[in-house]
Amino acid sequence: AQKITQTQPGMFVQEKEAVTLDCTYDTSDPSYGLFWYKQPSSGEMIFLIYQGSYDQQNATEGRYSLNFQKARKSANLVISASQLGDSAMYFCAMREGNRDDKIIFGKGTRLHILP
Amino acid sequence: SQTIHQWPATLVQPVGSPLSLECTVEGTSNPNLYWYRQAAGRGLQLLFYSVGIGQISSEVPQNLSASRPQDRQFILSSKKLLLSDSGFYLCAWSVPKQGRGFVGTQYFGPGTRLLVL
Repeated sequence: AQKITQTQPGMFVQEKEAVTLDCTYDTSDPSYGLFWYKQPSSGEMIFLIYQGSYDQQNATEGRYSLNFQKARKSANLVISASQLGDSAMYFCAMREGNRDDKIIFGKGTRLHILP
Repeated sequence: SQTIHQWPATLVQPVGSPLSLECTVEGTSNPNLYWYRQAAGRGLQLLFYSVGIGQISSEVPQNLSASRPQDRQFILSSKKLLLSDSGFYLCAWSVPKQGRGFVGTQYFGPGTRLLVL
């Protein structure tokens, strides 16, 4: 079974609109961490935001926020006021437990921002 | 601040030739190190990870190998490349586990594009 599911292979959004990228996860461990990464066409993976399973509040980093719904095992990324530079591949990822060796990545969502 | 370097940026190699990709990290000590491969338009596949010098864990049995000769140096190698080895290779580092509140964010290098012909 997939640990991280990103159901949107591709999305087209008008510039300046808000964007929600979906991510659901599967784990039985009560302690885990969730990450979002951005991969522009250059290929580099850029860390965007982190949410711990015990964090009481949703994580925010500038225009990025993580809509963490623990009961639904959902960790959607919200980008406010999208910009052309937001066009990229976005990956959701999870660290299970307190293991420091592995992060499991989803298959990604390609986001296209339209002018 | 920490930086991670990979080279070469691009490599074209014939089938059956050897491979050596290098990754170095600056500005941190005893990092966890990782090698990933990404096929075109696909997700990331973890190949190897290391929690210390000489300590290598393999995720996928194949014709690739990894070594960590120094604390902040991670090398991906092959004796004979296959066509299926083509892809984008990413190196990453993370801070080792520190107890409660551990995050484990991985930070990636710029990657190496490998084309095997």
